[in-house]
Formats: sequence, structure tokens, C-alpha cells
Amino acid sequence: GDSVTQTEGLVTLTEGLPVMLNCTYQSTYSPFLFWYVQHLNEAPKLLLKSFTDNKRPEHQGFHATLHKSSSSFHLQKSSAQLSDSALYYCALSPNNRIFFGDGTQLVVKP
Amino acid sequence: AQTIHQWPVAEIKAVGSPLSLGCTIKGKSSPNLYWYWQATGGTLQQLFYSITVGQVESVVQLNLSASRPKDDQFILSTEKLLLSHSGFYLCAWMGGGYAEQFFGPGTRLTVL
Repeated sequence: GDSVTQTEGLVTLTEGLPVMLNCTYQSTYSPFLFWYVQHLNEAPKLLLKSFTDNKRPEHQGFHATLHKSSSSFHLQKSSAQLSDSALYYCALSPNNRIFFGDGTQLVVKP
Repeated sequence: AQTIHQWPVAEIKAVGSPLSLGCTIKGKSSPNLYWYWQATGGTLQQLFYSITVGQVESVVQLNLSASRPKDDQFILSTEKLLLSHSGFYLCAWMGGGYAEQFFGPGTRLTVL
């Protein structure tokens, strides 16, 4: 079946340090992969979506590379900001369904 | 442009009372629609999805039901609320096929 695994429930780091949130997936198809961000008391919003070619999607300083060989779509940013503190979901969409991981809470401290 | 509305914005209800939450999308014909629930401090839990009018698939029921009476409307309901129903309810739409989802603003439900 289709599934997404986010191994870290909570990531805490200091402002200015690099961010990497892990995401691996299982799918019988060649799905699209997404990252969503949810700030406190708000609805999730799309942050990034994988491309079918080798382009690397980027948004708000975040980027992610789809590695089909390792079934991964890790989220990265070179320098964390306080405003990046939020809940991040990795998701995959093989068809009309969408499957979310359990989410990673990112806390950025001064 | 597509817009998605949810009502009510927030609700405080008593245990055992009925509930009806609504979601409407404008500017998109025949969208795939989804209901999610999120406990306070918890993760997203997909509840139901619907690809067409009159058809709803259950993912996790949690003693809730869903209906799609119109192409642009998705309703979540129960006849008897439980304390465990408290949380944040989100409606989302997908354009169909290999596409991302867009979420509504959500309804915050408190069951006392």
C-alpha cells in the first residue's frame, strides 16, 4: 500500500542553523510528493510539490529533492528562521487519494 | 479563482448533541473533497473523501458520517457527539488526478 514515514516527531534547532526534515515513502505508483506547513491555529498550506523531471522545487528558502532510488523527499533549508517554527507534513498522491505522514514539529529557538 | 468555505468557524457543543459541519467550494467543478480531523496538538487524520456527488468513502469513521448532497458541498455530521470529537476539522479539495490539496480555514469544535 501507499504510505509516508516521517521519522522525527520533533526537531528543535537554533536560528541560523540548517534544517533537514526526513520523509520516505512507499507507493506502487510513481506519485507526486508534497510538503505542507501548518502554523499554529491555521490550516495546512502547500509548501512544495515534486516535479516529474529532475527540477528541484523551492519555496520560502525551502527545497526538496525527490530521490526515487531511495524513495525519499527530504525537506531542507540552509538557515532556519524563527518564523519557520511550525508543523510540517510530507504527503504523497498516487491518484485521487492523498496520504499524509504523521508530521514533524519544527521549533526554531533564538 | 477557487475558494473554499467552512461553517461554522467554531462551535461549542454538549456531549450527546448532534453536529453538522459544512464545506463549500466555489470556482471548481467536480472537485474531489476530503474531511480531516486534528486533535489539539495532534496530527492530521483523514476521515472521508468524495470524488462525485452522492458518493462518499470512509477512511476512519470516528462515529461520524459524511455526505455530498451537491457538487460543491460536503457535510460532516453525527447524531451524538463524544468528548473525543473535540478538535479541528478541515475540509480540502483536490483538482483530480495527481494534484495537491487545498485546505479550507477549518472549524474548531469543543465538546463539553
